[in-house]
Amino acid sequence: DIVLTQSPVLAVSLGQRATISCRASQSVSISSINLMHWYQQKPGQQPKLLIYRASNLASGIPARFSGSGSGTDFTLTIDPVQADDIAAYYCQQSRESPFTFGSGTKLEIK
Amino acid sequence: EVQLQESGPGLVKPSQSLSLTCSVTGYSITSNYWGWIRKFPGNKMEWMGYISYSGSTSYNPSLKSRISITRDTSKNQFFLQLNSVTTEDTATYYCARYMPRPLYYFDYWGQGVMVTVSS
Repeated sequence: DIVLTQSPVLAVSLGQRATISCRASQSVSISSINLMHWYQQKPGQQPKLLIYRASNLASGIPARFSGSGSGTDFTLTIDPVQADDIAAYYCQQSRESPFTFGSGTKLEIK
Repeated sequence: EVQLQESGPGLVKPSQSLSLTCSVTGYSITSNYWGWIRKFPGNKMEWMGYISYSGSTSYNPSLKSRISITRDTSKNQFFLQLNSVTTEDTATYYCARYMPRPLYYFDYWGQGVMVTVSS
């Protein structure tokens, strides 16, 4: 299985940039298609798709969220961070079955 | 709008079967793929499997001998059955729509149902 590694916690100040990373144990890209996605989950809620295929903003998601990366290294950026962004963020790969998720990064406010 | 809602017992005894229903409104399950994902205490998430628009299935090999995903297209519902559960199956279970190529993501999710396995 492809293992996705995320840092457990990231603390940032409101109005600053948050950079959340996800590293895959093997490439999750096929040709130029990066099969990595990002989800936000707030306590008591279901996950919400933020970024698909590494860099595409999902419908209704504010432009302060962005994604980048290819191969094995991916980044979710939130700039500027707002209070409403306090949540856990998960990466997920669909390069091969079984689909796998990262362990999540909890975004906290300094 | 696409909406998914899980339902089922919140408590299951060890060695029994866990059965959940996902009711979908606003979209036909005869299109795209429909999956089950669970989140364990401690926040690890696991994709369990999906059923396609045609009724074919794909399962996580870690569960392959215990899992079955079926559907009732007349009710626009799909189902999860997990056999021989243990306390390790205690989790919040989500159903979600999976968009296949060229998208490859889970876009609509249910609110989740917490299932505890305990005697």
